Amino acid sequence: AQTVTQSQPEMSVQEAETVTLSCTYDTSESDYYLFWYKQPPSRQMILVIRQEAYKQQNATENRFSVNFQKAAKSFSLKISDSQLGDAAMYFCAYRSPAGGTSYGKLTFGQGTILTVHP
Amino acid sequence: DVKVTQSSRYLVKRTGEKVFLECVQDMDHENMFWYRQDPGLGLRLIYFSYDVKMKEKGDIPEGYSVSREKKERFSLILESASTNQTSMYLCASSLLGESQFFGPGTRLTVL
Repeated sequence: AQTVTQSQPEMSVQEAETVTLSCTYDTSESDYYLFWYKQPPSRQMILVIRQEAYKQQNATENRFSVNFQKAAKSFSLKISDSQLGDAAMYFCAYRSPAGGTSYGKLTFGQGTILTVHP
Repeated sequence: DVKVTQSSRYLVKRTGEKVFLECVQDMDHENMFWYRQDPGLGLRLIYFSYDVKMKEKGDIPEGYSVSREKKERFSLILESASTNQTSMYLCASSLLGESQFFGPGTRLTVL
């Protein structure tokens, strides 16, 4: 079974600065997907960024980028130019390839609470 | 935009009551999921469904059951609520192979 570990329960950053959230995972699969989800205080979970394991290029979405190290099984999220609206709980998640019996199930890490200071 | 709705944002029930949590999605997604979220544990999968009337157990199915009679609706049932089922419950849906979209969550308190 796959496991996902977020070792930072809480992180903080000053507005306009850069912060990196860590995530490691364990799997025996060679093909899979990794995600970062954001859960603001209003509780609606939204997708921040997605990475396919077969792609060597790190995914980027505006101020959000990942550092995907497949051999090390590491998947960190970098938030540049942090904004007050970035304050939220961030979850790292793993998904097996589509098809088979996984049906797109996600395995989540424990979450990291990000505080942004003005 | 995909919309996933859950019947209640907050719910308070008594031990032993039968509880129904409803989830509806409007994008014709095949897959639907129920998670519970607890501090320090992240989200854990309770049950999921990949088609109407089809269901599969997740990682923590004990004490729960589900129903999917229509494609857009996925219900989570607590047959006899217990205090250890006090939690935040999140519903999600997706197309096969695509990212999941989440509902706003239901905060359930069992007294």
